[in-house]
Amino acid sequence: AQTVTQSQPEMSVQEAETVTLSCTYDTSENNYYLFWYKQPPSRQMILVIRQEAYKQQNATENRFSVNFQKAAKSFSLKISDSQLGDTAMYFCAFLNPSNNNDMRFGAGTRLTVKP
Amino acid sequence: DTAVSQTPKYLVTQMGNDKSIKCEQNLGHDTMYWYKQDSKKFLKIMFSYNNKELIINETVPNRFSPKSPDKAHLNLHINSLELGDSAVYFCASSLRLPGGKETQYFGPGTRLLVL
Repeated sequence: AQTVTQSQPEMSVQEAETVTLSCTYDTSENNYYLFWYKQPPSRQMILVIRQEAYKQQNATENRFSVNFQKAAKSFSLKISDSQLGDTAMYFCAFLNPSNNNDMRFGAGTRLTVKP
Repeated sequence: DTAVSQTPKYLVTQMGNDKSIKCEQNLGHDTMYWYKQDSKKFLKIMFSYNNKELIINETVPNRFSPKSPDKAHLNLHINSLELGDSAVYFCASSLRLPGGKETQYFGPGTRLLVL
C-alpha cells in the first residue's frame, strides 16, 4: 500500500515571502499521479496542483510550483509571494491508477501566512 | 454552478439513529467517492463507485452503506450511529480517463456530530 508523509504539521510565512511544504511517498508503482489540495477554514477541498509521474517537468500553476523528485519519492510544494488567502491546511495526495484510482492523503500541513 | 454538492452541510443526531448524506455531481463524471476526515484532519477513503459499481471498499463498518442510483449520485447511509462516526464526510467525483489521467473534485463536506 502507498503511504504519504507530510513531516511538517505546521508552518508559517510572512506575506509576500516564499514557503516550501514537504511531502514524501512510498510506492512500488511506476505510473502514478500526485496532487496538492488546499483546505481553507471553509473546509472546502480545493485542488492546487497535480503532477504526472511520467513527466519530468515540474508542474506550475501561477504562484504554486512543485519540485518532483521521482527517484527520491519527494513532491514538495512551493508557494511564491504568499498571500493571506493562502492560509489553510495543505494535503499531499498520491493516486494509483493501477488500483482503481485509489487516492491516499498525507496528514496535512497547516500553513499560516502572517501580515 | 455547484459542481459537487452534498446535503446536508451539517447533521447533528443522537447515538443509535440512522441518517443519510446525499451527494450529486453535475460534471458528467463516472466515478464518485466518499472520504472521512476525522478530528485530526486525517482524510481517508471509504468507498468508490464507477458507473454505479462499487470498486473500492475500505475497511468500513457495515453500518455504512453507499448507494449509487445513477452515475451522478452517490449517497451514504449510516445505521446505528456511534460517537466515533462524528467527522466531516466528503464526497468527490472524477472522470476515469485512459491512463488514469484524472483529478478528483470534492464537495463542500458534511459535518456529522453524533451526541
